[in-house]
Amino acid sequence: AQTVTQSQPEMSVQEAETVTLSCTYDTSESDYYLFWYKQPPSRQMILVIRQEAYKQQNATENRFSVNFQKAAKSFSLKISDSQLGDAAMYFCAYRIVRSLTGTASKLTFGTGTRLQVTL
Amino acid sequence: NAGVMQNPRHLVRRRGQEARLRCSPMKGHSHVYWYRQLPEEGLKFMVYLQKENIIDESGMPKERFSAEFPKEGPSILRIQQVVRGDSAAYFCASSGSEMLKVGNEKLFFGSGTQLSVL
Repeated sequence: AQTVTQSQPEMSVQEAETVTLSCTYDTSESDYYLFWYKQPPSRQMILVIRQEAYKQQNATENRFSVNFQKAAKSFSLKISDSQLGDAAMYFCAYRIVRSLTGTASKLTFGTGTRLQVTL
Repeated sequence: NAGVMQNPRHLVRRRGQEARLRCSPMKGHSHVYWYRQLPEEGLKFMVYLQKENIIDESGMPKERFSAEFPKEGPSILRIQQVVRGDSAAYFCASSGSEMLKVGNEKLFFGSGTQLSVL
């Protein structure tokens, strides 16, 4: 079974600084997707960034980038130039690319990291 | 283009009552997923439905929980005889095609229904 582990329940960063959120996962699959979702107090789940496991290049989206280490099964999120609006819960998630059944469609989430942004 | 709509946003039930949670997917989407989020935890997959079909219900409790996605109307997650342990946020997500085949299909989430069982 696939598992996703986020070992940092809470993190804090000063505005304009950089913070890195950790995520490790366990899988026997070779082809999969990894995601970071943001959940602000409104509860809306917002996709921040996505990484395909077959791509060696780390994904980037503006101030958000990942450090994907496939051999180590590690997928950390770096937020640069942190802003007050970045304060939220951040969830790491995993999905296999395809299987013979419909189970490829489900996401497996970590327990989340609460990010606080201070002035 | 409205996003995934869930209602009600908050639902309070007493133990033993029934809870019905509704999800209208994004326009044009025919694939719906339900997830449950317990306090201080990540989302846990419950069920995946296409119109009129349950594709994967491996995350659904065997008793009291059921889901449907009729040809017309929203998807419904139904919890019979609720207990305090059912208190959680229930999220619905939708996609436009079967992610199994497309692979990179984006998933859109609703804002969830917070169920509180007294």
